[in-house]
Amino acid sequence: EAEVAQSPRYKITEKSQAVAFWCDPISGHATLYWYRQILGQGPELLVQFQDESVVDDSQLPKDRFSAERLKGVDSTLKIQPAELGDSAMYLCASSSSGSLSSYEQYFGPGTRLTVT
Amino acid sequence: SQQGEEDPQALSIQEGENATMNCSYKTSINNLQWYRQNSGRGLVHLILIRSNEREKHSGRLRVTLDTSKKSSSLLITASRAADTASYFCATASYNQGGKLIFGQGTELSVKP
Repeated sequence: EAEVAQSPRYKITEKSQAVAFWCDPISGHATLYWYRQILGQGPELLVQFQDESVVDDSQLPKDRFSAERLKGVDSTLKIQPAELGDSAMYLCASSSSGSLSSYEQYFGPGTRLTVT
Repeated sequence: SQQGEEDPQALSIQEGENATMNCSYKTSINNLQWYRQNSGRGLVHLILIRSNEREKHSGRLRVTLDTSKKSSSLLITASRAADTASYFCATASYNQGGKLIFGQGTELSVKP
């Protein structure tokens, strides 16, 4: 069964360092999402791609976060510099359509980030 | 920003009992989805109900939607220890730009 791949699964970094996460969506899925999930809360959308274009990055802290999906397939989310408050689970998801989220989203296992 | 509020925040039941979780939201929606998350893992889609639907079933799951009360419920019948997880509702609507807005979740514990 096709799955969303994410790496690394765990990352410990010191504050002010740079960190990057990678996501490979299910083959053929045009829409890719990055979420941040703080412990005890639901996921919050950071950025949504339709193919290689950003559809929504209204909640992305653009002073330190960046995301790209150059060829419309896999994607990278970067934080530079990392802050203590960035400690969270970073989830990637994909769906076959971005139309009003009318389709289920398939989530990867996530990357647990700890900033010390 | 999170749209949904889930109730209860935590629920503990015995195997074989039914579990009911509720979700309330604030704005008009196009659809509402329920997801399950096992500890430290990604989310798994359970069921999607559209705004013009009132009830939907999938195996041991039953979801209801009351748009007049802006609320939804998820019922898991004959629960099993493997149902232990966090359950999240998520809403999608035009005035949210079509993106999913997740609630805080209900943590379900099913004891054998």
